[in-house]
Order: sequence, then structure tokens, then C-alpha cells
Amino acid sequence: KQEVTQIPAALSVPEGENLVLNCSFTDSAIYNLQWFRQDPGKGLTSLLLIQSSQREQTSGRLNASLDKSSGRSTLYIAASQPGDSATYLCAVRQGGSTLGRLYFGRGTQLTVWP
Amino acid sequence: DTEVTQTPKHLVMGMTNKKSLKCEQHMGHRAMYWYKQKAKKPPELMFVYSYEKLSINESVPSRFSPECPNSSLLNLHLHALQPEDSALYLCASSQGPAAVVFGTQYFGPGTRLLVL
Repeated sequence: KQEVTQIPAALSVPEGENLVLNCSFTDSAIYNLQWFRQDPGKGLTSLLLIQSSQREQTSGRLNASLDKSSGRSTLYIAASQPGDSATYLCAVRQGGSTLGRLYFGRGTQLTVWP
Repeated sequence: DTEVTQTPKHLVMGMTNKKSLKCEQHMGHRAMYWYKQKAKKPPELMFVYSYEKLSINESVPSRFSPECPNSSLLNLHLHALQPEDSALYLCASSQGPAAVVFGTQYFGPGTRLLVL
């Protein structure tokens, strides 16, 4: 069974810092990996989707990389802002008999203080 | 428009009540999902519909009954729930069928359910 782990569980940084959030998964037979943001009590907002054939995706201050063979992804946030404070979840879409299923990590809770 | 809407936003129900959660999207997506999320935990998949047909049921108790009346609408009927069913219920959609595998999932804001 696919296991997704996110490190660190929580992170508190001053505004302006560059951040790296880590995600690892045990089964490399994935179709894609998606990074989400969730504000307290709210739904999930999709940030970036990386297909298994891709190495990275960029959107604004966000950059996500994928190393499928080693089972790792990182989300890089440049010049962090207080508005970036949220929980960041990574999820992998598994192939095979679990087609269509997303496996989520437990998330990294990020706090950016002014 | 990449919006998935959910109603109601909040719901309080007794264990003998019958209620329904509603989810709607107008992006032409053909795959729709129900997730359950407890506090401080990641979302857990409950059901997947592809082309209005149930394709995945993650061994969810029968007190939860999904329905997909058309390609834009997904309902979750609730009956005889337990207090431990209190959670945030999230709906999502993605393009299909091949994009059930490849596509981005778009989530709604969720319905916060409290069972007394």
C-alpha cells in the first residue's frame, strides 16, 4: 500500500524566507503528484500537478520537483509571505488496481510571521 | 471557471435524521469524488464516480449513500449517522475518463457536518 510522508509536520518562519517542503512516497508506480494548500476549515486548493514523466512544475513563487525513482517531491516557496500560512498537502495518484485513488500525506502546517 | 460548489456549508443533524449534501461543477468534468476529512488529518477517499457510474467505494458504511443524477451534480445522502461521522466532507472533480488518472482534482469548500 502506498504511504506518503511529509516533513516537517510544522514550520514557522519569518516573512521573506525561502522554504522547502518535503514529500516522500513508498511506491514509485505513480501517475502524477499534486500539491494542495488548505486554509483552516476550508477545502483544498490545487497548487501544482506534476505528471510522472515530468521533473518539475512552476507557478509564480512556487516550484515543485519530482524524483519518481527515489520517491521524492519537494515544494519550494520563494520569498514567503504571511498569506502563505496554511497547511500544504501532497498527494500521489496511484496506478494499477487503485486507479483514480489519491494517497495524501498528513501535510505540513506553515506559519509565516511578519 | 474552476469552481466546485458545495451546499450546505454547515450541517448539524441528530442520529435519526436524514439529510443530503450537494456538490456541483460546471467544468464538464466526468469524474467526481467524495472525501471525508477529520481534524488535523488528510482527506480520506469515500467514493469515485466516473461518467455518472460508481467506480470506487472505499468500503464506506451504508449509512452514506452517494448519488450522481447527472454529469454536473453529486449528492451524498446521510441516514442514521453516528457522532464519529462528524467531519468536513469534501467534494472534488476532475476530467475523465483517462484524466481520472492524469487530471488535476479540483476541490469544493466542503460541508462541515456535526452529528449529535
